[in-house]
Amino acid sequence: GAVVSQHPSWVICKSGTSVKIECRSLDFQATTMFWYRQFPKQSLMLMATSNEGSKATYEQGVEKDKFLINHASLTLSTLTVTSAHPEDSSFYICSAPPRGTRGGLNTEAFFGQGTRLTVV
Amino acid sequence: KNQVEQSPQSLIILEGKNCTLQCNYTVSPFSNLRWYKQDTGRGPVSLTIMTFSENTKSNGRYTATLDADTKQSSLHITASQLSDSASYICVVSRQTGANNLFFGTGTRLTVIP
Repeated sequence: GAVVSQHPSWVICKSGTSVKIECRSLDFQATTMFWYRQFPKQSLMLMATSNEGSKATYEQGVEKDKFLINHASLTLSTLTVTSAHPEDSSFYICSAPPRGTRGGLNTEAFFGQGTRLTVV
Repeated sequence: KNQVEQSPQSLIILEGKNCTLQCNYTVSPFSNLRWYKQDTGRGPVSLTIMTFSENTKSNGRYTATLDADTKQSSLHITASQLSDSASYICVVSRQTGANNLFFGTGTRLTVIP
């Protein structure tokens, strides 16, 4: 089956620094990728929709200048948490439907393995 | 309001026993419903995906049911194994809208020996 790979799987950084998380589709092309954040014992919350070749679409309440998204190719989207603070500590997950499908319409959404971010 | 509610919130069962997890939703217009298994610290992995016309779908020891009239779904796990310990998330997809995936909060299943 299709595989979505995230890197790194965990990262610890100092407050004020920036962290980049990569999301790659390994055996298919994805014009759209989704970024989620998950706090302990809570469900996934959509942060933004990453669109290849255009600007990302952010959900209400998500700061686009803090969570920079770049979708430069059909197989790679990156999420950069800028000037990270302890409250940004969370589990970040990406997902992608294969190219040619509209995510969520009777298609599979493949999730990455997630990235555990801890800001100290 | 589009919502997905799961019950129970958590469940502990003995190895080898069966269990059923519930998912009720109000998402409209409905497109499909998926069940995912999420191990701690990992991304969700798909178990089943069901469309409006499907009532039952199985994947090994996992059997999902869907009643589109009452907007309810269940996930039945038979002969549970220790490796079934995880969170099970119900995700309902809407036909329209930019953000068309709605996540339940999950059921935390613990299988004990």
